[in-house]
Amino acid sequence: LAKTTQPISMDSYEGQEVNITCSHNNIATNDYITWYQQFPSQGPRFIIQGYKTKVTNEVASLFIPADRKSSTLSLPRVSLSDTAVYYCLVGFSGSARQLTFGSGTQLTVLP
Amino acid sequence: DADVTQTPRNRITKTGKRIMLECSQTKGHDRMYWYRQDPGLGLRLIYYSFDVKDINKGEISDGYSVSRQAQAKFSLSLESAIPNQTALYFCATSEYRGGYNEQFFGPGTRLTVL
Repeated sequence: LAKTTQPISMDSYEGQEVNITCSHNNIATNDYITWYQQFPSQGPRFIIQGYKTKVTNEVASLFIPADRKSSTLSLPRVSLSDTAVYYCLVGFSGSARQLTFGSGTQLTVLP
Repeated sequence: DADVTQTPRNRITKTGKRIMLECSQTKGHDRMYWYRQDPGLGLRLIYYSFDVKDINKGEISDGYSVSRQAQAKFSLSLESAIPNQTALYFCATSEYRGGYNEQFFGPGTRLTVL
């Protein structure tokens, strides 16, 4: 099972770039890396997914080094509304591993 | 996501009662999932279904059962509810796109077992 490790919490200030790193030493060849965002009492929302190198969309970037044993979610210029829990998941869509949410990282953005 | 609905949104019941939580989706996805979330913790997978004829146990299936009545409907039952099943329950859907898997979550059902 590709277990992931993330920091429990992080604080940042409005306007800063935030980088959340996830460690997944046992990642398998077919595994993808997926990040979700969750606000209190709401279901998680997909942010970004990648396999290798760098992926960017309108809300975030995902950096994956060549060995794929870790990944970094980058949120540019955060605002108060980015305060949420962020989850890193690893797995292949044909397996339940990709459906395993850990405890996530509580990001608090301060004014 | 409005395309994934859950009923009821809130439910209070007593120990020993049978409870059914329902999930419907209009996204046309083949895959559906049930999760529970306890306060301050991440989501844990209860059951998942990759198509109408496919049902699989997740991490914490004991005390739960599911029924996939149609592609769009996936129900979760608690045969005899107990207090430690008090939690927030989420249904989710996705479609198969190779390794890519984006799940869409419903608004959740808050269940309290007294």
